[in-house]
Amino acid sequence: IAGITQAPTSQILAAGRRMTLRCTQDMRHNAMYWYRQDLGLGLRLIHYSNTAGTTGKGEVPDGYSVSRANTDDFPLTLASAVPSQTSVYFCASSGDSGASTDTQYFGPGTRLTVL
Amino acid sequence: GDSVTQMEGPVTLSEEACLTINCTYTATGYPSLFWYVQYPGEGLQLLLKATKADDKGSNKGFEATYRKETTSFHLEKGSVQVSDSAVYFCASLNDYKLSFGAGTTVTVRA
Repeated sequence: IAGITQAPTSQILAAGRRMTLRCTQDMRHNAMYWYRQDLGLGLRLIHYSNTAGTTGKGEVPDGYSVSRANTDDFPLTLASAVPSQTSVYFCASSGDSGASTDTQYFGPGTRLTVL
Repeated sequence: GDSVTQMEGPVTLSEEACLTINCTYTATGYPSLFWYVQYPGEGLQLLLKATKADDKGSNKGFEATYRKETTSFHLEKGSVQVSDSAVYFCASLNDYKLSFGAGTTVTVRA
C-alpha cells in the first residue's frame, strides 16, 4: 500500500453502539490527525497526534477518543455513537521533515451514519 | 484561534471561463497556506501551497499568491475545464493544526 488507508469505507450504526474507525499510513509520518467533514462547515479537527505515544484534542473532541500505539496506526473510537456524529471522517498524516507546518495528506474517508 | 474565510458558492462556470475563489485568513504568526480539492466521491487532495509571504503556489493551471498585507490566498485559474468541477478548500496551517474554510463548490459546464 502507499499513502493512507481508512476502514471501513462506510458504516451505518445504531445510536449507543461503539465504533472504531481505522487509519493506517505507510509513509512513516510522525503526525496524524482525525477530521470530520460536515456540509457548510468544512473540516474540523477532532484529535491529533504529533508522534507515537502522544495525542491531543482538536476543535471538536467530545464523544471521541484516539490512541497512537505506533507510528503507522491511529484509530478513532466513538464510545457510544449519537446521531450528531453522522459525518464523513478523514484521517491525515504529515511529517516528512518533522516541521510543524508540513503538508497534511488525507485518506479517502469513512462515511458514518448513526441512526 | 486561527480561522479561514472563503467565498461562498456554489459557483457555476462555462468551460474556458476564468475562476477566482477568494480566501482570507486570520492567524497568529505566519501560517502556511494551502488549497485542497475534493472531487466527487473522493477524499481531499493537495492542490497547491505557499509557506511564506509573496510565495506563489501553482499546479494544474491553478495559482495562488500568499499576500501577507491583505491576509489573502485567492485561487485563480485562467481557463477552467469540466474536469475542474469539485469542492475547493482553503486552509491555513499553524503549529500542526490545519484550519479549513467551509469549501466552495465549483461546477464547470461544457
